[in-house]
Amino acid sequence: NAGVTQTPKFQVLKTGQSMTLQCAQDMNHEYMSWYRQDPGMGLRLIHYSVGAGITDQGEVPNGYNVSRSTTEDFPLRLLSAAPSQTSVYFCASSYSLRGGNTIYFGEGSWLTVV
Amino acid sequence: GENVEQHPSTLSVQEGDSAVIKCTYSDSASNYFPWYKQELGKRPQLIIDIRSNVGEKKDQRIAVTLNKTAKHFSLHITETQPEDSAVYFCAATPGGGADGLTFGKGTHLIIQP
Repeated sequence: NAGVTQTPKFQVLKTGQSMTLQCAQDMNHEYMSWYRQDPGMGLRLIHYSVGAGITDQGEVPNGYNVSRSTTEDFPLRLLSAAPSQTSVYFCASSYSLRGGNTIYFGEGSWLTVV
Repeated sequence: GENVEQHPSTLSVQEGDSAVIKCTYSDSASNYFPWYKQELGKRPQLIIDIRSNVGEKKDQRIAVTLNKTAKHFSLHITETQPEDSAVYFCAATPGGGADGLTFGKGTHLIIQP
């Protein structure tokens, strides 16, 4: 049982490049989400999914796409990277969306856009 | 949407003293309030949580209190130790949980030897 696994851990991109952050969980969780963490800003929700085939926007969705083709995987795509997307990204999952279900975080992905 | 305010942003206490971190929320329908601890370079980890039908919850040196009328909740750490040094985040689940967690901006807790 690996929990929530994110790759890559570190990445440097040039402005305009695209990339995908991978996230997988092996706990059969319905709910998965992506957060970004910036200094002094806490964690802000980018996109989330309540099950395979269902995604929705969070607080800061611009510049990011997601898909949920399987229960296990929830990749985050940056189509044209910008310096403002330099951040630490955390994938998270929980059994369901209802309040009181513990949300588990991946180890994080450090992204720098130059 | 939900808005969570957290204070203070930095808290320095002497080892052995108590630390209190406070959060307020805006959505009266929020019903779940977790606290996460994040060490430098690590992921946030849940340390304690409370649901809206409970006023207080304790786990060894850590306790959380909730005042639904005032819409605020607090984290209390007693007998602080060096390993308590970290950034602590409060969070709230908006009504129905439809938008996941809304986080406060974090408190950097420093334990002075």
